[in-house]
Amino acid sequence: DAGVIQSPRHEVTEMGQEVTLRCKPISGHDYLFWYRQTMMRGLELLIYFNNNVPIDDSGMPEDRFSAKMPNASFSTLKIQPSEPRDSAVYFCASSHHGRGLNEQYFGPGTRLTVT
Amino acid sequence: GNSVTQMEGPVTLSEEAFLTINCTYTATGYPSLFWYVQYPGEGLQLLLKATKADDKGSNKGFEATYRKETTSFHLEKGSVQVSDSAVYFCALSAGAGSYQLTFGKGTKLSVIP
Repeated sequence: DAGVIQSPRHEVTEMGQEVTLRCKPISGHDYLFWYRQTMMRGLELLIYFNNNVPIDDSGMPEDRFSAKMPNASFSTLKIQPSEPRDSAVYFCASSHHGRGLNEQYFGPGTRLTVT
Repeated sequence: GNSVTQMEGPVTLSEEAFLTINCTYTATGYPSLFWYVQYPGEGLQLLLKATKADDKGSNKGFEATYRKETTSFHLEKGSVQVSDSAVYFCALSAGAGSYQLTFGKGTKLSVIP
């Protein structure tokens, strides 16, 4: 089975530009999580969805960040406008309720660099 | 709140050496504990877990025992291989069914031939 798929793997953009990160969860999984990883703060949960509905977005750093999940097989994380401090690796993860929400399967991540 | 503290890295070992990565936690109630591993260029993978005190999680030769009295979940392996080179994350969740994973900062392990 294919794992969690993220695109792009690397993104370099200039400050002020819009950035969209994409995620395809594992088929059949009903939870989807977005994380950010930085050296300073480690791994942070940004937002998570259940059955395509956002459940908790308290980790989203500010209004410049938004996430959507239009269907069970696709989610986006958008940053508009981007800033250099948004540079990080962004991970998407998915899980199935039957296995416990804490058994999460991670994608390979998108390394974002904002100059 | 919940927190996880793991030993600072990086850790460099020779092949076949014994590995210990320390992890301690602070949490209310009875958390579940995890070790995740991140190989270069990849996402995190669940390595092992334990859901109650004195449980031992094990996988691929790695082991960790949930010690409630010392609030610890140290990762061990008797004989490391070059292929074990990765970053290891200790994590906890508030309990079965909890969505929130709290991660430690990660410990980078390098195994040299």
